[in-house]
Amino acid sequence: EAGVAQSPRYKIIEKRQSVAFWCNPISGHATLYWYQQILGQGPKLLIQFQNNGVVDDSQLPKDRFSAERLKGVDSTLKIQPAKLEDSAVYLCASRGVAGGLNNEQFFGPGTRLTVL
Amino acid sequence: GEDVEQSLFLSVREGDSSVINCTYTDSSSTYLYWYKQEPGAGLQLLTYIFSNMDMKQDQRLTVLLNKKDKHLSLRIADTQTGDSAIYFCAVPRNSGNTPLVFGKGTRLSVIA
Repeated sequence: EAGVAQSPRYKIIEKRQSVAFWCNPISGHATLYWYQQILGQGPKLLIQFQNNGVVDDSQLPKDRFSAERLKGVDSTLKIQPAKLEDSAVYLCASRGVAGGLNNEQFFGPGTRLTVL
Repeated sequence: GEDVEQSLFLSVREGDSSVINCTYTDSSSTYLYWYKQEPGAGLQLLTYIFSNMDMKQDQRLTVLLNKKDKHLSLRIADTQTGDSAIYFCAVPRNSGNTPLVFGKGTRLSVIA
């Protein structure tokens, strides 16, 4: 079974530029999460989708961040315009409908964003 | 909301046991998790424990849960250099299909 795919793996941009990240979850997984992991900290949720609907975006800085999952499969996360403090690893995770035996979330390798 | 605390660093000699501790605030979580993150890699689920259990053993890993004190620990027996990584304690925000709240991670360094 293929894991969660993310691209690009690395991105360097200047502040005030725009950037987009892509995530392809495990096939059949209804729930998709985007987490932000700043250096030296644990991941923090940005947004949770159930199929193509947003379940929780309370921690998403909506003035600059947006995310979509139009067909309930792939998802994109966009930052416009980027700030220096957005430098982080952006992790995508997915979870099946029943969650398996332990409600496990499967994580992708992440996209490391550096804002100069 | 849920808050998860961990010590930041742990250094052990190869062959010794490592114990990583975690405290959390919300007692409604059904499963509690330990994730491992190696440099440049994503998060890998290492082990988990169901909230009605006190202990779970899986080869070199032992998870202890004290629900009264809201304390979770991960013990790695016979620690190897390949165990060097950052270990995250993670607790679901609520019961059911909810996001995880992570601690800041404990960086384990294994000295040969």
